[in-house]
Amino acid sequence: EDQVTQSPEALRLQEGESSSLNCSYTVSGLRGLFWYRQDPGKGPEFLFTLYSAGEEKEKERLKATLTKKESFLHITAPKPEDSATYLCAVLPSGTYKYIFGTGTRLKVLA
Amino acid sequence: EADIYQTPRYLVIGTGKKITLECSQTMGHDKMYWYQQDPGMELHLIHYSYGVNSTEKGDLSSESTVSRIRTEHFPLTLESARPSHTSQYLCASSERGRGEAFFGQGTRLTVV
Repeated sequence: EDQVTQSPEALRLQEGESSSLNCSYTVSGLRGLFWYRQDPGKGPEFLFTLYSAGEEKEKERLKATLTKKESFLHITAPKPEDSATYLCAVLPSGTYKYIFGTGTRLKVLA
Repeated sequence: EADIYQTPRYLVIGTGKKITLECSQTMGHDKMYWYQQDPGMELHLIHYSYGVNSTEKGDLSSESTVSRIRTEHFPLTLESARPSHTSQYLCASSERGRGEAFFGQGTRLTVV
């Protein structure tokens, strides 16, 4: 069965304290893996798409990486404005139905 | 930036009323989705569409219905709202071959 598991469920960091969020996935074939940021009461905001193992994408303080079984979202020197829920989703081959993880709630303290 | 719009942003309505949540996108995307999300919880797919006149039910049982008469428009209708329908409803769209989905800002529905 295709599934996505994110860890940790919640993470508190001090401003400037770098860390990584994990997204483990099991799919029969991977069309793509996606990272989103979601602020309370709003829709998810698209961050990155990763298509194949070894691929990396960067945007400001965020860097996403992909292996054959998991993806990491690295946050370097986070700021309080990075506080949000980060969602991971996969799109299995042969379908256009996304499978979302439950997210990691990140809180960055000043 | 994604051009996908949901209206209304907030709606408080009485039990038994019929409501339609609007979703429009200007990107020409062929695939559109409706998700339901309770606060702090995961997204649940309730409807999706691969194109005009193509709609399917998602993984979460829902008493809502959808239609896709035009590419850009994917409204969701509840014939008789109940308190159990209180939730956030998110609309999304994606382009064939690209993969990533873009979301609207959501409609927060409260049924009293």
